[in-house]
Amino acid sequence: NAGVTQTPKFQVLKTGQSMTLQCAQDMNHNSMYWYRQDPGMGLRLIYYSASEGTTDKGEVPNGYNVSRLNKREFSLRLESAAPSQTSVYFCATDRARTDTQYFGPGTRLTVL
Amino acid sequence: GESVGLHLPTLSVQEGDNSIINCAYSNSASDYFIWYKQESGKGPQFIIDIRSNMDKRQGQRVTVLLNKTVKHLSLQIAATQPGDSAVYFCAENRRNQGGKLIFGQGTELSVKP
Repeated sequence: NAGVTQTPKFQVLKTGQSMTLQCAQDMNHNSMYWYRQDPGMGLRLIYYSASEGTTDKGEVPNGYNVSRLNKREFSLRLESAAPSQTSVYFCATDRARTDTQYFGPGTRLTVL
Repeated sequence: GESVGLHLPTLSVQEGDNSIINCAYSNSASDYFIWYKQESGKGPQFIIDIRSNMDKRQGQRVTVLLNKTVKHLSLQIAATQPGDSAVYFCAENRRNQGGKLIFGQGTELSVKP
């Protein structure tokens, strides 16, 4: 039982490059989330998926897209990376939107 | 306003002492609160939660207190150990807003041996 897994752990991109961050959970949870964490800013919600087949914008969605591939997987895509997207990205899951969220280990992204 | 804030950004305690980390919130309709621990290079880890119909909840070496009158909650860690060194976040789950989770900025706890 791995819980919430994220790949890759680290990534360096050049401005304008694209990439997809992967998240998978084996907790049979319905809801999945993507956050970014910046120094002094705490965790900010980018997008979430309340259930399979649905996605909604969070607090800071600009520059990102998401796909809820199935119940287990939720990916975050940067189409044209910018230095402002340098951050640590966390995926989280919970049974329902009003439950405790469980986090993955994070992806540390640097955009040059 | 919409904020969940922590009173102190850093806290240094001696090993074996008790630690108290504080958190204030502003939304009086908030009814569910969670404390997370984040070690360096890792994701936030659930510690304990409390619902608004409770004033106190205890776990293993941790206690969360909720004072709804002044919109304040605290995390108490008994007999603090070096392994407790981390950043601690309080989070507010706004069930009346579809379960939106609002995080505080975090308090860094440093345990001196």
